[in-house]
This record gives sequence, structure tokens and C-alpha cells, in this order.
Amino acid sequence: EAQVTQNPRYLITVTGKKLTVTCSQNMNHEYMSWYRQDPGLGLRQIYYSMNVEVTDKGDVPEGYKVSRKEKRNFPLILESPSPNQTSLYFCASSLFSGRRSYNEQFFGPGTRLTVL
Amino acid sequence: AQSVSQHNHHVILSEAASLELGCNYSYGGTVNLFWYVQYPGQHLQLLLKYFSGDPLVKGIKGFEAEFIKSKFSFNLRKPSVQWSDTAEYFCAVNAMMNFGNEKLTFGTGTRLTIIP
Repeated sequence: EAQVTQNPRYLITVTGKKLTVTCSQNMNHEYMSWYRQDPGLGLRQIYYSMNVEVTDKGDVPEGYKVSRKEKRNFPLILESPSPNQTSLYFCASSLFSGRRSYNEQFFGPGTRLTVL
Repeated sequence: AQSVSQHNHHVILSEAASLELGCNYSYGGTVNLFWYVQYPGQHLQLLLKYFSGDPLVKGIKGFEAEFIKSKFSFNLRKPSVQWSDTAEYFCAVNAMMNFGNEKLTFGTGTRLTIIP
């Protein structure tokens, strides 16, 4: 089954304790992205990747890191989490479409992170 | 930068009522438009999308949306809602100006509650 998976689905941690949220897709998609969802703000892009070893900042990258060593995986790293990073996180992927077209993004199930 | 406005934050309807959720975007160039739905505790699912062509698009579960370019709008409609339509609905825009970043800009969401 074609899907985007995220782990863990729920995580409660404390300020300053490094954590990684994994994202994996089995659709051979080039493009992957992380969003965070906050009440009243909708979803905002954190980082994206156009392909292996190619990553760039989205709208709210502060406090996050990403890596793209393999095509299928795009982990989100919080080196020193803070309470303002308490949020619902979604990973998404799509085929890379080029300048004049667009391909649908598929979303993972979400990771609910609480930083105390 | 593009932005998306959803003016209805919370809509409450009775079953069988008609639904229209507003969505306006700000970007003067070519856009791709989407409506996503998020059922309680679940991930985002694509309801419908507009890329080009007929401005009236039909999606899953009886939903449709109309793209009105002159009004920068992409309102979601359903003639007769069901209790199972209770969910949060997000309008999203991809402005085709950022080569390589398939970023979706989301509205803040509309929570729809259907009363049996």
C-alpha cells in the first residue's frame, strides 16, 4: 500500500532533550516536506527536500533540522526542543513535477509532540 | 508571498443542510488549489483539486468547489451534509512561482460540526 509513515505518533518529552521524528514513504517520491499544525494557524511548512541531499528551509525552520540521505526517508530533528515546539507535525511527499505542473502531496498520519 | 483566508472558523449545521465554506487566496499568478479534510484523529485527505480547465471541480463524498479567478476564491460546497462530514476542512494553495518547492500554503481551517 502506498503510504507515508511517521514515528512516533505521540511523544511527550522535556525541554532540551534531543529527539527525532522519522518519516518514510514507499512511493519513490522525490519531494518531501515537513509541516506543523497549530490551532488557528493552519499548517506551516518547516523544511522541504527536492531530492537526496537537497534540503531547504520553509516558513518556520527555526529550532529544526532535517536530513535526506535516502530517497524514502526524511527525518525531522529537534536538537533542543522547547515548549513552543509543542505541535502536530505532518510529513508529506510527492513526485517532483517541475516548473509548469504540480503533483498531489500525500500526507502522513501526524505526530503529536508535547514538550514540557 | 501567497496567503489563504478561510473566514468561517466554526460552522454548525444540521444534517441535510447545504454547505458552503469560503476560501480566498492572495496571489496574482497561476495557482493550484486544494481542499483537504481532516477527520478527528486522522491525517489530511485530499477532497478535491483544481489545476486548470473547468472551474467547477468535483471531489470525493459529494463535495465540489468553484474557482472564481476574478474573486480569488475557491469555495467548497455540498448540497446536503451528513453527520459523517464532521471534520476540519483546509483550503490550500500552491503558487507556481517557487521552482522545486511544492509548498502548500494552508488556510487556518474551518471546523464543521454536523448535528444529527
